[in-house]
Amino acid sequence: EAQVTQNPRYLITVTGKKLTVTCSQNMNHEYMSWYRQDPGLGLRQIYYSMNVEVTDKGDVPEGYKVSRKEKRNFPLILESPSPNQTSLYFCASSLYRGPSTDTQYFGPGTRLTVL
Amino acid sequence: QKEVEQDPGPLSVPEGAIVSLNCTYSNSAFQYFMWYRQYSRKGPELLMYTYSSGNKEDGRFTAQVDKSSKYISLFIRDSQPSDSATYLCAMSPRGSGGSNYKLTFGKGTLLTVNP
Repeated sequence: EAQVTQNPRYLITVTGKKLTVTCSQNMNHEYMSWYRQDPGLGLRQIYYSMNVEVTDKGDVPEGYKVSRKEKRNFPLILESPSPNQTSLYFCASSLYRGPSTDTQYFGPGTRLTVL
Repeated sequence: QKEVEQDPGPLSVPEGAIVSLNCTYSNSAFQYFMWYRQYSRKGPELLMYTYSSGNKEDGRFTAQVDKSSKYISLFIRDSQPSDSATYLCAMSPRGSGGSNYKLTFGKGTLLTVNP
């Protein structure tokens, strides 16, 4: 089944404890992206990657890191999480030209709470 | 003024009603317009995609773009309880490189269709 998977789906952690949220897609997509969704603020893009080893900042990149060493994986790294990073996170992918022209597929979401 | 404005609702209608969902935007560079549907506890899924101005129809769904007014709409005919979800508009500027890879989302409108 073609899909985007994220792990973990739920995570409660404490301030300052480094964490990684994994994202994997099995559709051979070149474009991948991370979003966070907050009440009253909607969906905002954190980072995106056009291909392996090519990444760029979205609208809210502060406090996050990403890497794209393999086509299928695009992990989101929080080096020192803070409470304001408590949010619902979505990973997404699309085939080639990005979400403006190619259908973007979203993962199921990771609900992160930072205490 | 935010780049994309969307009334968060909530909007509650009886089954069979015609639903109108709208977004306004301020960035005249936006050329690609999308509507996503997000069911509770799920990731968004692409519903409709329109390039530049005009109408696009897909079954019970019609997307309209009026670039002169910077206004986009999604109409749902013969609404069903299964249409109950949050609807997000999204848009992107025409261009090459980074601008074509970034989406700006509205905050989403929560729709409930009552049997």
